[in-house]
Amino acid sequence: DQQVKQNSPSLSVQEGRISILNCDYTNSMFDYFLWYKKYPAEGPTFLISISSIKDKNEDGRFTVFLNKSAKHLSLHIVPSQPGDSAVYFCAASALYGGSQGNLIFGKGTKLSVKP
Amino acid sequence: DGGITQSPKYLFRKEGQNVTLSCEQNLNHDAMYWYRQDPGQGLRLIYYSQIVNDFQKGDIAEGYSVSREKKESFPLTVTSAQKNPTAFYLCASRSGGKKTQYFGPGTRLLVL
Repeated sequence: DQQVKQNSPSLSVQEGRISILNCDYTNSMFDYFLWYKKYPAEGPTFLISISSIKDKNEDGRFTVFLNKSAKHLSLHIVPSQPGDSAVYFCAASALYGGSQGNLIFGKGTKLSVKP
Repeated sequence: DGGITQSPKYLFRKEGQNVTLSCEQNLNHDAMYWYRQDPGQGLRLIYYSQIVNDFQKGDIAEGYSVSREKKESFPLTVTSAQKNPTAFYLCASRSGGKKTQYFGPGTRLLVL
């Protein structure tokens, strides 16, 4: 049973527009959420994170929003650039339990930014 | 220059052969992880280690083994018991007090 879901396998956006990538989770014990960006045949690169005590975190063109009541988070990229074309993974971590610190990953959303 | 290195970049395995993937980090991180990525899939946890000389099975540990004799090193052995080893293998590490994991460049394992 998937605890972290990225329901859109792919997303296509025009350069300069906003990209919105979505992620849903089911485990209410998750307290920290991360977004990673991955190019083919490379390791994921950490992008941005958010703690469950916040509802927004911003870093340059990237903003992550967290809606705890809906168990939903989203990554906004504004403006989108062709170099943003990659697979984006959402990940979550639980505060308690034997696997504290472990990340649960979604299946990823492939973003294509067209010039 | 601090980071995580994985070697080799490509690895070929013959039927019935054990192969070992290397992962080294000089970030002084306590925790290290091994993931497997298949096409169209997320990252699935194979093994993890929170401290030296201790490691735990992840979600898909069958057919794999690890060791953690040094803080910097966490090699993964893909044994002949792993019937579908073709995948992209990723190593990651994390500082003890933090949640963010940092990844190496990955090793592509192919079966001959």
